[in-house]
Amino acid sequence: GENVEQHPSTLSVQEGDSAVIKCTYSDSASNYFPWYKQELGKRPQLIIDIRSNVGEKKDQRIAVTLNKTAKHFSLHITETQPEDSAVYFCAASIYQGGKLIFGQGTELSVKP
Amino acid sequence: DGGITQSPKYLFRKEGQNVTLSCEQNLNHDAMYWYRQDPGQGLRLIYYSQIVNDFQKGDIAEGYSVSREKKESFPLTVTSAQKNPTAFYLCASNALNTDTQYFGPGTRLTVL
Repeated sequence: GENVEQHPSTLSVQEGDSAVIKCTYSDSASNYFPWYKQELGKRPQLIIDIRSNVGEKKDQRIAVTLNKTAKHFSLHITETQPEDSAVYFCAASIYQGGKLIFGQGTELSVKP
Repeated sequence: DGGITQSPKYLFRKEGQNVTLSCEQNLNHDAMYWYRQDPGQGLRLIYYSQIVNDFQKGDIAEGYSVSREKKESFPLTVTSAQKNPTAFYLCASNALNTDTQYFGPGTRLTVL
């Protein structure tokens, strides 16, 4: 079945620096890749997603890139702020409306 | 997100007891999911349902049971067969013609 690997497990950056989180997936049929942000004790919130027919998507300080050949996708956060501190999860899905397979999560800490 | 509710927020269980976690959504979503989250780990799928009166096991279904008698409700029972049930439980839903999955606020279950 599908497997998603996420790295690093923890990431610490200085405020204003960029942060990059990477995920790889195993099933080449995967075609939907969301990213969720989860603050301590809260529910995961979708922050950005990308579909397999797109190579890159950007929303203000957040961007996601997808390399279908290498089967990996990445989250890029620029000009990080303390409120970006949270756990970030990547996920992959094979078909529209289907179940998501999640990565293990990355705990991002942005130091002021 | 506000259309998905979970109750209770905190739940304490004695060993040997069955407990039921509630998940309700008013988004008219077809699919509903239950995930388990342990500290420092990702989201693991317990059960999911894409239509009423039908559901499938996820990766860690042992010791859990579900029902889907109504479209808006997907309760999860943690049985006494689940040996280590202390965790944060998240319910999610999505429409079958879209990819985006929305999460409820979660239930934190503790075994005494």
